[in-house]
Amino acid sequence: GAVVSQHPSWVICKSGTSVKIECRSLDFQATTMFWYRQFPKQSLMLMATSNEGSKATYEQGVEKDKFLINHASLTLSTLTVTSAHPEDSSFYICSARKTGTANYGYTFGSGTRLTVV
Amino acid sequence: EDKVVQSPLSLVVHEGDTVTLNCSYEVTNFRSLLWYKQEKKAPTFLFMLTSSGIEKKSGRLSSILDKKELFSILNITATQTGDSAVYLCAVSYSGNTPLVFGKGTRLSVIA
Repeated sequence: GAVVSQHPSWVICKSGTSVKIECRSLDFQATTMFWYRQFPKQSLMLMATSNEGSKATYEQGVEKDKFLINHASLTLSTLTVTSAHPEDSSFYICSARKTGTANYGYTFGSGTRLTVV
Repeated sequence: EDKVVQSPLSLVVHEGDTVTLNCSYEVTNFRSLLWYKQEKKAPTFLFMLTSSGIEKKSGRLSSILDKKELFSILNITATQTGDSAVYLCAVSYSGNTPLVFGKGTRLSVIA
């Protein structure tokens, strides 16, 4: 149990367009999901905490109007990169938390590699 | 100020060598420390440590936590080229909070 599915795995989009990334907990309910961003050769940086039924909590320096997070159900959180620009090209990973599992429920999606051209 | 600090940031060794990776952390509200291996995609879980002095072992990998000195080490013996990856240390703090990651150690094992 504790599987997180993330789609798409990779996406290429034109500058100025929007991209939606989905994160689903397949076999458990996740009231909280976390979105990370990772630039090449750097570590995972937390972008925001997604809370089911309420507004996301963004980390300092992350534009909430640019990175829209919606967590409308207990199994789905989405991250939309609006008006994407080349500097938004990065690896985005979601994580959902399930209590009671071996690693305190921090299960990761497989990640989405976004390239903005 | 970084809450989780890993060292070294990069390391190149030859096959068969033994390596030790370090991770120090802040203590406030500490719950557990986790090690992950990341190749090209999402991190894969290696170990979770919550108690001091108890070694966790999986094959050639082992890890231990020192809660008094606030650090953990990850050992890899008889390294292989397949061990080449970024090794991430992350700390879980109490409450419904996200993992806090260190910058990682990039390990390269050459034949």
